Amino acid sequence: GAGVSQSPRYKVAKRGQDVALRCDPISGHVSLFWYQQALGQGPEFLTYFQNEAQLDKSGLPSDRFFAERPEGSVSTLKIQRTQQEDSAVYLCASSSQARVSNQPQHFGDGTRLSIL
Amino acid sequence: GDSVTQMEGPVTLSEEAFLTINCTYTATGYPSLFWYVQYPGEGLQLLLKATKADDKGSNKGFEATYRKETTSFHLEKGSVQVSDSAVYFCALSDPSSGTYKYIFGTGTRLKVLA
Repeated sequence: GAGVSQSPRYKVAKRGQDVALRCDPISGHVSLFWYQQALGQGPEFLTYFQNEAQLDKSGLPSDRFFAERPEGSVSTLKIQRTQQEDSAVYLCASSSQARVSNQPQHFGDGTRLSIL
Repeated sequence: GDSVTQMEGPVTLSEEAFLTINCTYTATGYPSLFWYVQYPGEGLQLLLKATKADDKGSNKGFEATYRKETTSFHLEKGSVQVSDSAVYFCALSDPSSGTYKYIFGTGTRLKVLA
């Protein structure tokens, strides 16, 4: 497909389990962003990749959160020892260029994570 | 730090009514501004954008003008339809952030009644 693809769409995990969320950006897009969207709120930035380099991880809420993009395309967001406060929708976005403010980001449909 | 403030919702309108959703921002640099729309169960879709002062973004009957003097980017539509019911997010991308990440407002839910 032509858009950003995220999987799974829904994930339910028990507190303490590890989860992995996948993002497949638009082919050729250099920039990749992860955001966390709590219920009824706007998305909040987690981390940014330019190709395979993670240039900004200032939004990751704790060291339980880890993201990678080893070949500069697909990215995985991993959350270890999940807590109930990790329940949210995780959005991935990509854009065609790096560090250009007027380039729009293209969003996937998100992964809704529920921690029981 | 940078921030975006949107009017709280929900906004409930009758079909064909005029829509305004207010958005103001604070930014360190000279940001680009965006409106995104989110339909139930879906991701964010770009609605329109403006990259410099006095630019007007427009799409699908929606318009917003970048007002640097009032640091605003209000969304307007002359005649809403039931299909416009969704959550609308105002966002900025600030070059001074280095990564051009988005800062979003909290979103405004719009309900249009037939």
